[in-house]
Amino acid sequence: ILNVEQSPQSLHVQEGDSTNFTCSFPSSNFYALHWYRWETAKSPEALFVMTLNGDEKKKGRISATLNTKEGYSYLYIKGSQPEDSATYLCASVTQNFVFGPGTRLSVLP
Amino acid sequence: KAGVTQTPRYLIKTRGQQVTLSCSPISGHRSVSWYQQTPGQGLQFLFEYFSETQRNKGNFPGRFSGRQFSNSRSEMNVSTLELGDSALYLCASRPSGGAHEQFFGPGTRLTVL
Repeated sequence: ILNVEQSPQSLHVQEGDSTNFTCSFPSSNFYALHWYRWETAKSPEALFVMTLNGDEKKKGRISATLNTKEGYSYLYIKGSQPEDSATYLCASVTQNFVFGPGTRLSVLP
Repeated sequence: KAGVTQTPRYLIKTRGQQVTLSCSPISGHRSVSWYQQTPGQGLQFLFEYFSETQRNKGNFPGRFSGRQFSNSRSEMNVSTLELGDSALYLCASRPSGGAHEQFFGPGTRLTVL
C-alpha cells in the first residue's frame, strides 16, 4: 500500500521566519512528486512538479528539493509572509495520485 | 482560459438517495480526476477518466461511479448515500497524463443527513 507522509502536521511561525516541511513517499515505482498549496476557501494550486532525483525547483520565496532514492522531498519557504498561510500538500504519482495529509502553516504577523 | 468548474457547489441529501456531481475541465484537458476530502482523511483518490475511459480507480465501493463525455466533461455518481459520504468532492483536470500538474475545481460540498 502506497503511503505518503508529511511532517510536521502543523506549524506556526512569525512573519519573516524561514521554514521547511518534509514529504516522505515510497521510493519504488516513483514517477513524479507534486507539491500543492491549499488556501482556505480556495482550490489546491500546484506549486511544483518534480521528476528527477536531485531536482531543485524555485518559485519566488518557495523552493523544493527531491530525493527519489530515499523517498523524500523538502519544501522551503524563505521569509514567510501571512499570505503563505495555507495547507501544503505533496502527492506521489505512480499509477494514481496519492496525497499526503498536508502540513498546515500559519504565519503570524 | 476558464478554470475547472464544478456544479453544484453545495448539496444536501438524505441517506439512501443518490447524487450526481458535474465537472467541466479546462478547455483542451482530456484527463479528469475525482477526489474526496473529509476531515482527518485528506484527499482520497476516487478515479481518473481520460478520453471517456476510466484509467485508474481508487479504493472506494462500487456505489461511487463516474463517466466522461466526448467533450471531456465528467460526472460522478454516488448511489445509496451514507452519512459517511458527507465530504468535499474535488475534481481536477490536466492535459493528458504523465507528470502534468493538476488544476482543481472549487469542489462540491455534499452533506448527507
